[in-house]
Amino acid sequence: EIVMTQSPATLSVSPGERATLSCRASQSVNTNLAWYQQKPGQAPRLLIYGASTRASGIPARFSGGGSGTEFTLTINSLQSEDFAVYYCQQYRKVYTFGQGTKLEIK
Amino acid sequence: QVQLVQSGAEVKKPGASVKVSCKASGYSFSSYYIHWVRQAPGQGLEWMGIIKSGGGSTSYAQQFLGRVTMTRDTSTSTVYMELSSLRSEDTAVYYCAREMATVTLDAFDVWGQGTMVTVSS
Repeated sequence: EIVMTQSPATLSVSPGERATLSCRASQSVNTNLAWYQQKPGQAPRLLIYGASTRASGIPARFSGGGSGTEFTLTINSLQSEDFAVYYCQQYRKVYTFGQGTKLEIK
Repeated sequence: QVQLVQSGAEVKKPGASVKVSCKASGYSFSSYYIHWVRQAPGQGLEWMGIIKSGGGSTSYAQQFLGRVTMTRDTSTSTVYMELSSLRSEDTAVYYCAREMATVTLDAFDVWGQGTMVTVSS
């Protein structure tokens, strides 16, 4: 099983600033990596797939990068609605999720 | 619009079974795969398995083998997930989700609203 490890567990950032979230895979997943956003009481929402492609309707302030085992999700000019939990997911071999990063207001 | 609508919350006793439904609309049902993902209270996301909506074949995560069954009804565009021998650790929100493509493994672009299953004596 491919294990996905996200860091940090909690990230405190001020509105208007940039947030960078990390995700590491226990073995290479090429670019078979997605990012999801989840707000309290809601289902996850797809943000990024293929490591760097924004899903339909996702604002340009969200960007993804990386390949192999190291990935990042960057959110520029944080808006109030961006404070949520973010999960990475690999779909190279079966499907596994990271444990999540909570992005909170500083 | 493309959507997945799940059945309502359930309360079950330990040892019982639960069956959750997920009705698809707004797209060609048989052309996409549906997954089930669960989330225990305050925890992360756990993949449970996949059903190929067209042919009906399934694949389950190791930890659910023998306890989970996924089926589909093409006449109503509905997928079902049944989990048996319930225990308290199965208390969670259960989501269905559509996989974006079927040629290779892909991300999940449409999610149901979730179904809370509570296991309590």
